[in-house]
Amino acid sequence: DARVTQTPRHKVTEMGQEVTMRCQPILGHNTVFWYRQTMMQGLELLAYFRNRAPLDDSGMPKDRFSAEMPDATLATLKIQPSEPRDSAVYFCASGLTGFWSGNTIYFGEGSWLTVV
Amino acid sequence: AQKITQTQPGMFVQEKEAVTLDCTYDTSDPSYGLFWYKQPSSGEMIFLIYQGSYDQQNATEGRYSLNFQKARKSANLVISASQLGDSAMYFCAMRVGNTDKLIFGTGTRLQVFP
Repeated sequence: DARVTQTPRHKVTEMGQEVTMRCQPILGHNTVFWYRQTMMQGLELLAYFRNRAPLDDSGMPKDRFSAEMPDATLATLKIQPSEPRDSAVYFCASGLTGFWSGNTIYFGEGSWLTVV
Repeated sequence: AQKITQTQPGMFVQEKEAVTLDCTYDTSDPSYGLFWYKQPSSGEMIFLIYQGSYDQQNATEGRYSLNFQKARKSANLVISASQLGDSAMYFCAMRVGNTDKLIFGTGTRLQVFP
C-alpha cells in the first residue's frame, strides 16, 4: 500500500532551534509539495518540486525556511531558527505532473510542530 | 485569479441522511481537476474523490459523489447515508492546467449526530 511517509510525526522544540522535517514520496511520483496548515491561514503551499527541481517556493519565508530534494526518495523542509509562529502542521504530498495525471496527489500524515 | 470557495464553515447531518457540501471554483483555464479531501480529528488528509474538467459524468466513489456543474463552476460533494465516522473537516481543492499545485478552500466541518 503506497503512501507518503513523514517524519517526525510530532516535534516540540525551543525557539531558536533548527527543525528538519523529512518526507518520502510515493515511489514513481515526480512532484512533491510542502503545505503548512494553521487555524488562521488554513492550508498554505510553501514549496513544491518537479523532478527534484524547485518550481515554486514563493509561499515560504526565505530567511528561515529552506526546502530541498537531495534525491528522488527524500524531501526535506528545514526551519532555522524556529519561532513560535512556526507552530503548525506541515504536510508533504506527492503526485504525478500535470492535469492529465488526474487524481494522483496523496498526502502524508503530517508533522505536528510546536515551537515554545 | 484561481480560487476555491467553500461557504459553509459547519454543517450538521443526522446519521443515515445525505448531506451536500458546497464548493465553487474560479479559473479561466479549460483544463482543471477538482479534488475533495477529508481531514478527521487525527489530522491526516484523506483523498476522497476527483473530477476532471473534461469528464462527461459526475465522479462517484462509494458513498461519495461529486455534483459537477461546469456552467455554475460548482463541484459539490454529496455524502449519502452519513455515518458517525464521517464527522471531519472536508476540503475542496483545484489543480489547474499543467501547474502542479493544489489550491484549497477553507474547509467545511461536518458533524454527524445519531
